Amino acid sequence: KQEVTQIPAALSVPEGENLVLNCSFTDSAIYNLQWFRQDPGKGLTSLLLIQSSQREQTSGRLNASLDKSSGRSTLYIAASQPGDSATYLCAVDPGGSYIPTFGRGTSLIVHP
Amino acid sequence: DTGVSQNPRHKITKRGQNVTFRCDPISEHNRLYWYRQTLGQGPEFLTYFQNEAQLEKSRLLSDRFSAERPKGSFSTLEIQRTEQGDSAMYLCASSSAGQYEQYFGPGTRLTVT
Repeated sequence: KQEVTQIPAALSVPEGENLVLNCSFTDSAIYNLQWFRQDPGKGLTSLLLIQSSQREQTSGRLNASLDKSSGRSTLYIAASQPGDSATYLCAVDPGGSYIPTFGRGTSLIVHP
Repeated sequence: DTGVSQNPRHKITKRGQNVTFRCDPISEHNRLYWYRQTLGQGPEFLTYFQNEAQLEKSRLLSDRFSAERPKGSFSTLEIQRTEQGDSAMYLCASSSAGQYEQYFGPGTRLTVT
């Protein structure tokens, strides 16, 4: 059974810092990994999706990397802003089932 | 197209009552997923449809839960004889065939008193 762990569980930083959020998974036979953002009481917004053949994806200030062999992904947020405050979740699709397994998320607060 | 929509956004019900939630996916998406999320946890998969066919059901989906997608468009999730443990956010997502990226709705927050 695929297990997804996200570290740290919570993070509070001053505005402007560069951040790294970590996601690890136990079964390296994955098809893709997706990073989401979730604001309190809201649904999930897709940020980046990395296919198993890719090593990284970038969107604006966000960069996600994937190392299947070590079972790790990182989400890098450059020059953090208060508007980045949210919970960040990673989800792993094991073996192309289209049914992702989610981590518990990292709760991020960026204070001015 | 405005994305995935869910109704109602909030539902408060008494234990033992039945509730039904609706999800309208992005119009060209043929896959539709239901998830349940409790506080401090990631979403847990419940079931998914490809067109009108229900292809997978989690063991979390007890006999009190039923989902339908009769015409391959919108979907409903019904919970019968609700229990306090059913209190959670119920999320719907959709995707295109052959595409992994899922787009989520705003969720329905269920509170069972």
